[in-house]
Amino acid sequence: EAQVTQNPRYLITVTGKKLTVTCSQNMNHEYMSWYRQDPGLGLRQIYYSMNVEVTDKGDVPEGYKVSRKEKRNFPLILESPSPNQTSLYFCASSRQEANVLTFGAGSRLTVL
Amino acid sequence: GQSLEQPSEVTAVEGAIVQINCTYQTSGFYGLSWYQQHDGGAPTFLSYNGLDGLEETGRFSSFLSRSDSYGYLLLQELQMKDSASYFCAVNNNNDMRFGAGTRLTVKP
Repeated sequence: EAQVTQNPRYLITVTGKKLTVTCSQNMNHEYMSWYRQDPGLGLRQIYYSMNVEVTDKGDVPEGYKVSRKEKRNFPLILESPSPNQTSLYFCASSRQEANVLTFGAGSRLTVL
Repeated sequence: GQSLEQPSEVTAVEGAIVQINCTYQTSGFYGLSWYQQHDGGAPTFLSYNGLDGLEETGRFSSFLSRSDSYGYLLLQELQMKDSASYFCAVNNNNDMRFGAGTRLTVKP
């Protein structure tokens, strides 16, 4: 089944403890991206990647890092999480450009 | 700045037609897309407009006017399962910007 898989789906952590949210797609998509969703704000793009080793900042990249070492994987790294990063995170991919996005199921992160 | 405006809530009855508008102001524009999100779920793609005009996909249609920086999503023959949030999104050279979402409630 064609899909975008995120892990973990739920995570509670503490301020400053580094964490990684993994994202993997099995559709051979070139474009991958990360979003955070907060009530009343819609989805805000954190980082995106057009292909392997190519990443760009989105609207809200502060406090996050990404890497694209393989086409299928696009992990989101929070080096030192803070409570304002408590949010619902979505990974998405698209064949080439960001016109038709397939989203993962979401990862709900709470930073205490 | 960059912004997308869409109504926060819309209510309609089963079988009716509803239009959700989206106006945008962005530094660049490559296309407008629409996504549906049910409570607790992930956004799913509905429609994309890269050029002016109407795109039809079953009960859903989407329209774009680039000169007016405006688009809309039209949902026909509303069903209870259409109750969800709908987001418009602008592709600004792959830097995606989403609206805050329109919550559609379909009543019997």
